Parts: sequence; C-alpha cells; structure tokens
Amino acid sequence: GNSVTQMEGPVTLSEEAFLTINCTYTATGYPSLFWYVQYPGEGLQLLLKATKADDKGSNKGFEATYRKETTSFHLEKGSVQVSDSAVYFCALSDRQAGTALIFGKGTTLSVSS
Amino acid sequence: DADVTQTPRNRITKTGKRIMLECSQTKGHDRMYWYRQDPGLGLRLIYYSFDVKDINKGEISDGYSVSRQAQAKFSLSLESAIPNQTALYFCATSDRQIPGHEQFFGPGTRLTVL
Repeated sequence: GNSVTQMEGPVTLSEEAFLTINCTYTATGYPSLFWYVQYPGEGLQLLLKATKADDKGSNKGFEATYRKETTSFHLEKGSVQVSDSAVYFCALSDRQAGTALIFGKGTTLSVSS
Repeated sequence: DADVTQTPRNRITKTGKRIMLECSQTKGHDRMYWYRQDPGLGLRLIYYSFDVKDINKGEISDGYSVSRQAQAKFSLSLESAIPNQTALYFCATSDRQIPGHEQFFGPGTRLTVL
C-alpha cells in the first residue's frame, strides 16, 4: 500500500542554519504531496503542496520539489528562525482511500537563538 | 472566517464510557475526515465521508463509529472507551474541487481515557 517515510527527529538547529527534512513515498499512480506543520498546542496547517511531478511548492521560505524519479519530496529552508520550531509532517493524498492523507510520523524541529 | 471547529477541545473520561466528538465546518466542503494522532506515529485515518450518504472506514476504525448528520457536521463516537484510545483527534475537510485535495484541519480534541 501507499506509505510515507520521513527522517526521524528531533532536528536541532541554530537560527539562520540550513534545514533539510527528508521525505520519500511509496504510491501507485500519481499522488499529490504535502508538507503540514503543527505548532505547539495547535492543529495542522498546510505549509506547501505539489500536485504533479517536478512541481515545486513554496511558502514562508520553505520549498519542496516533487521528484517522481526518486519518489521524494524533501523540505528545505535556507535560514531557519526560532519561530519555525514545530513538528513537520510529510503526507500524500491517497486516491484509493477517498483522497485521505497518508502521513509520515513527523519530524520535530527545534531552533535556538 | 470559514473554519473547522471541534468540540470538546479536551475530555477526560473513564473506561467503558460512551464518548462523542463533534466536528463542524463552515467551508462548504463535501468531504470530511477523522484522524487520530499518537506520539511517534503521525496521524492515522479513522473514517472518512464524501457526503451525508457516503461513509467509509479508514485504517483504524475498530472501536469507533461516525455519523454525518449534515454536510457540515461529522461526529465520531467511541461506544465503549478504552485507555489505548487516549490520543489527539483531528477532524479535517476537503472538497473535490480543490486541486490536489488539500485538507483543512480543526484544532483537535485531546481525549484521555482513564
């Protein structure tokens, strides 16, 4: 079945450091891919998405490119801030389950000043 | 603002009790979902609904039931709560017309079963 694997955390960085969180997926067909972010005590918010191969999603300085050949959707940011501290989830849209989302286990990012 | 709301936000109950979690949305979306979040496991799908007459089981539906009372309301019930149902529960909405079927999440309900 479809699945998402993302790097385990926690990831601890200093402010202004470069961030990469790896995400790979297994899917039949051509799913849409997403990064969601969960700030402490809050629900999930969409960070960015890509709906087809080679699409690049971007938002708030974060980027991810849908790579079909490597089945990956890695999240990157050039310079993290303390306010980026959160849990990040990679997800794919599973057409076999009514387009419900299949999530990775989440990666906790902690940024210190 | 259009929104997804969940009630209650926190609930503590005892083993064997019946519990209902409610979700309402003002986005006009046709699809609604229930997920649970456990530490280290991400979110897992419990049930989903395409419309009032279309309800489907997800990955972990055992011990849960749902009701889609209207397009805007989707309730999750635990008929007889057990401690391993202690988790954070999220409702989400989507619509067939949204490219990529992005989902919008409620703030969550933290349920503790003693």
